[in-house]
Amino acid sequence: AQSVTQLGSHVSVSEGALVLLRCNYSSSVPPYLFWYVQYPNQGLQLLLKYTSAATLVKGINGFEAEFKKSETSFHLTKPSAHMSDAAEYFCAVEQGGKLIFGQGTELSVKP
Amino acid sequence: SQTIHQWPATLVQPVGSPLSLECTVEGTSNPNLYWYRQAAGRGLQLLFYSVGIGQISSEVPQNLSASRPQDRQFILSSKKLLLSDSGFYLCAWSAVTGYDTEAFFGQGTRLTVV
Repeated sequence: AQSVTQLGSHVSVSEGALVLLRCNYSSSVPPYLFWYVQYPNQGLQLLLKYTSAATLVKGINGFEAEFKKSETSFHLTKPSAHMSDAAEYFCAVEQGGKLIFGQGTELSVKP
Repeated sequence: SQTIHQWPATLVQPVGSPLSLECTVEGTSNPNLYWYRQAAGRGLQLLFYSVGIGQISSEVPQNLSASRPQDRQFILSSKKLLLSDSGFYLCAWSAVTGYDTEAFFGQGTRLTVV
């Protein structure tokens, strides 16, 4: 079965600092991977997805993620954090047409 | 364009009362439909998914059930709510075009069982 593990339930950065949210996957076949963002009391919005076309995937709001097979990782990064990036972020892997989510990482941005 | 509607946004129900949450999708046909539950610090747990009318798969044993009476309608129900049913419930849909197709989420329902 496919699964994803997000390291760190809470990450805090200063405004303008690098954002790094970690996600490792477990899959016996090339996976389809996704990052979603959730603002308080709202649904989830897709940030980006990996579908094996390119290892570096660019998404919305300046986020990007790099698929590294050797490390079974798909970490999410943003060069410079903005206050509006404060939210919860979820990594997900496709399994049999369904999305299996990680536990989520809450990102706080300090002024 | 496709839209997903989920209601109500918030709900407070007593223990033992019934539950019905509704989700509808517009602008697409024959979508895959999903119900997720989000509890604090526990990520999103897939409860049910459906690939067609009347076709429901349950992912975890629980006090809840789901039904799909129409192609773009997905209902989450319970006959008697438990305190442990409290949480944030999210409906989602995806197109049946491949495994790289993302899911689109509704705005969620905050259920508090008291």
